[in-house]
Amino acid sequence: NAGVMQNPRHLVRRRGQEARLRCSPVKGHSHVYWYRQLPEEGLKFMVYLQKENIIDESGMPKERFSAEFPKEGPSILRIQQVVRGDSAAYFCASSPGANNEKLFFGSGTQLSVL
Amino acid sequence: AQSVTQLDSQVPVFEEAPVELRCNYSSSVSVYLFWYVQYPNQGLQLLLKYLSGSTLVKGINGFEAEFNKSQTSFHLRKPSVHISDTAEYFCAVDNAGNMLTFGGGTRLMVKP
Repeated sequence: NAGVMQNPRHLVRRRGQEARLRCSPVKGHSHVYWYRQLPEEGLKFMVYLQKENIIDESGMPKERFSAEFPKEGPSILRIQQVVRGDSAAYFCASSPGANNEKLFFGSGTQLSVL
Repeated sequence: AQSVTQLDSQVPVFEEAPVELRCNYSSSVSVYLFWYVQYPNQGLQLLLKYLSGSTLVKGINGFEAEFNKSQTSFHLRKPSVHISDTAEYFCAVDNAGNMLTFGGGTRLMVKP
């Protein structure tokens, strides 16, 4: 009975490299959300996806960031040409439907940019 | 736009004492309200939620919260805390959009 699985748990990148964060939702959940937590702050919404579709990306930076949730496989949050300001904890959450009442969070990926 | 304010960034308290973590929100529409707990190096766990009905909501681990529409508050309470309650607590609102809006968090530090 696995919950939301995120990997890697910790990711270290040098400035200019790419970061790929993976999220496997709860089995049967077709809705995935990505949130970012900067140090000493609360979580900020980034993007909401359903299978093969981006529903809401209003919280995602316009450049360097992209997300996908393919028909098969995990959801991927991709950050190109990382900068130090991208250092944060990235959390994925999934739900069975289009609401936040039954949201399950993963343990997060801590991205550190050197 | 909606916002969530958690007035206290840190709350130190002795074990077995009562605690209240404050949360105020602003929204022009009806909202759903949530409290999450984050233990060190872990993801968020749902403590409790208010969707409708009784304004006093009971959650896990002995926590409860009261929705006060006139004061736009949703304070979290526990009558007697344990060392194991030491964690970060986040209040969040959902106005039936696609996202939760989180407060900045309150670090509860329970001392022996």
